[in-house]
Amino acid sequence: DSGVTQTPKHLITATGQRVTLRCSPRSGDLSVYWYQQSLDQGLQFLIQYYNGEERAKGNILERFSAQQFPDLHSELNLSSLELGDSALYFCASSVELAGNEQFFGPGTRLTVL
Amino acid sequence: GEDVEQSLFLSVREGDSSVINCTYTDSSSTYLYWYKQEPGAGLQLLTYIFSNMDMKQDQRLTVLLNKKDKHLSLRIADTQTGDSAIYFCAERSVLGTALIFGKGTTLSVSS
Repeated sequence: DSGVTQTPKHLITATGQRVTLRCSPRSGDLSVYWYQQSLDQGLQFLIQYYNGEERAKGNILERFSAQQFPDLHSELNLSSLELGDSALYFCASSVELAGNEQFFGPGTRLTVL
Repeated sequence: GEDVEQSLFLSVREGDSSVINCTYTDSSSTYLYWYKQEPGAGLQLLTYIFSNMDMKQDQRLTVLLNKKDKHLSLRIADTQTGDSAIYFCAERSVLGTALIFGKGTTLSVSS
């Protein structure tokens, strides 16, 4: 158990819908990262927040957004969902901004029908 | 840009050593990682090495780094059936924060 929690574990929704994925980092970690794992693209970095502020952006679609709240938990919002958004979404956390160790949560499996 | 390549499959017998290979392209100072993913689970950080090191050992795991060839390997001694999983190599530039992952190597251990 990495200490990073993600909810829900599974999510099934329809195209065009909007969902919110939630992540709680390990106690004391200020950085939260979101990654997407899909069969065709593999594991890709989406976005990073550090102490409430966006610090790095990867291959994140404009339909996706994220935020980190004062209690340091983070939410990833996915809107206008398409079939191709079906994937495993992982959250990771680290102590520092450029943490040597990123600890991953168990992931949220999103299925878009 | 950064790219990480791994072979896709490796099959070994229980008790043998496994060697999983990875090549990376980032030419700046970098951290290199090995993660393990078991079916239905998240990624577990196994070990990492900074690019100024040649080797790191942690119990049954040995990481070897060839900086000239930008080649990284993970050796698992006395491989067990519980080691069956997907192993991901990843790099992170000291100038960045995101991990760049390879496609993963599926390790299958037979008894």
